[in-house]
Amino acid sequence: EPEVTQTPSHQVTQMGQEVILRCVPISNHLYFYWYRQILGQKVEFLVSFYNNEISEKSEIFDDQFSVERPDGSNFTLKIRSTKLEDSAMYFCASSDRVNSYEQYFGPGTRLTVT
Amino acid sequence: GQQVMQIPQYQHVQEGEDFTTYCNSSTTLSNIQWYKQRPGGHPVFLIQLVKSGEVKKQKRLTFQFGEAKKNSSLHITATQTTDVGTYFCAGYIMEYGNKLVFGAGTILRVKS
Repeated sequence: EPEVTQTPSHQVTQMGQEVILRCVPISNHLYFYWYRQILGQKVEFLVSFYNNEISEKSEIFDDQFSVERPDGSNFTLKIRSTKLEDSAMYFCASSDRVNSYEQYFGPGTRLTVT
Repeated sequence: GQQVMQIPQYQHVQEGEDFTTYCNSSTTLSNIQWYKQRPGGHPVFLIQLVKSGEVKKQKRLTFQFGEAKKNSSLHITATQTTDVGTYFCAGYIMEYGNKLVFGAGTILRVKS
């Protein structure tokens, strides 16, 4: 069964450093998403991406965040200057909205900012 | 901001007992989805409800969408230890397009 993959599984970085989280969505999917989940809390929407541009973003997704689809398979989330409060699990998801709104989540990247 | 409320926050049941989690939105939802997240895992899609008053079943799980499309529930009959995890509702709020808003989740623990 096709699945969303994410790398790395765990990233430790120092405050102020840039990080790039990588995702490979399911190959025939058209919509891509990033979510974050602070430990023990709910899943929070960050951004959705379709047709090579951002279609929706939340208040969390400020100027420090950016997304990119650099090639036909990868979807990345960049945080330019990490803060302690960016520590969370980051999930990538994809969907084929032609058929349904069902979103397939990747296993996540745990980001720890020290 | 837009919110989807979910209760209870936590439920601990004896194996074989039933379990219900409730989801409520202050605004009308285009549709509602339910996800399950096992401890240490990622959200896994369970189901989507679209129509007002819709009821869907998956084996021991029953999902309902309210008539006003503002609330939903997930009921598990005769829980098993494999049901352990956090159950999240998530809705698309009509005014906010393609932005899935998650509830806080209900953590289910099952004693065998």
